[in-house]
Amino acid sequence: GDSVTQMEGPVTLSEEAFLTINCTYTATGYPSLFWYVQYPGEGLQLLLKATKADDKGSNKGFEATYRKETTSFHLEKGSVQVSDSAVYFCALSSRDDKIIFGKGTRLHILP
Amino acid sequence: DSGVTQTPKHLITATGQRVTLRCSPRSGDLSVYWYQQSLDQGLQFLIQYYNGEERAKGNILERFSAQQFPDLHSELNLSSLELGDSALYFCASSVSREREGRTDTQYFGPGTRLTVL
Repeated sequence: GDSVTQMEGPVTLSEEAFLTINCTYTATGYPSLFWYVQYPGEGLQLLLKATKADDKGSNKGFEATYRKETTSFHLEKGSVQVSDSAVYFCALSSRDDKIIFGKGTRLHILP
Repeated sequence: DSGVTQTPKHLITATGQRVTLRCSPRSGDLSVYWYQQSLDQGLQFLIQYYNGEERAKGNILERFSAQQFPDLHSELNLSSLELGDSALYFCASSVSREREGRTDTQYFGPGTRLTVL
């Protein structure tokens, strides 16, 4: 079945460092891909999405490119801030209208 | 603010009891999804309703049930509660018009934190 694998955390970085959180997927067809973020004590928020191959989703300085050849959707940010500390979930839409989430990656940014 | 509302925000109850969690989707969204988030299991999809009818089922226990009403709000009923049911329960909604043939973005509510003592 469809699945999402993302790097395990926690990931700890200093402020202004470059961030990459890896995400790969297995799916039939051409799923849409998503990154959601969960700040402490809150629900999940959509961060960005891409609906077809080579699409780049971007929001709040974060970017991810839908790579069909490597079945990946890695999340990147050039300069992280303390306020980016959260849990990040990679997800895909399955053919039966479900969203399949990865296990989440906890990110800590140190001032 | 995603536009999805959930009540109550916190719920504390005892083992063996029954509780009802409520969700109001974003205006215009026809699909409602329920998820359970616990420390050991991560984010688990429970069930989806589309325009009042059950559409998809995930890892939902038989002690749990849900429904979606004509005004599109949804309720998740949890019965014979066990300690292990303590978790965050999220509701999400999406447009999910069937003719579009693709899954729309899901917008999540703030969650209900259930504590079973």
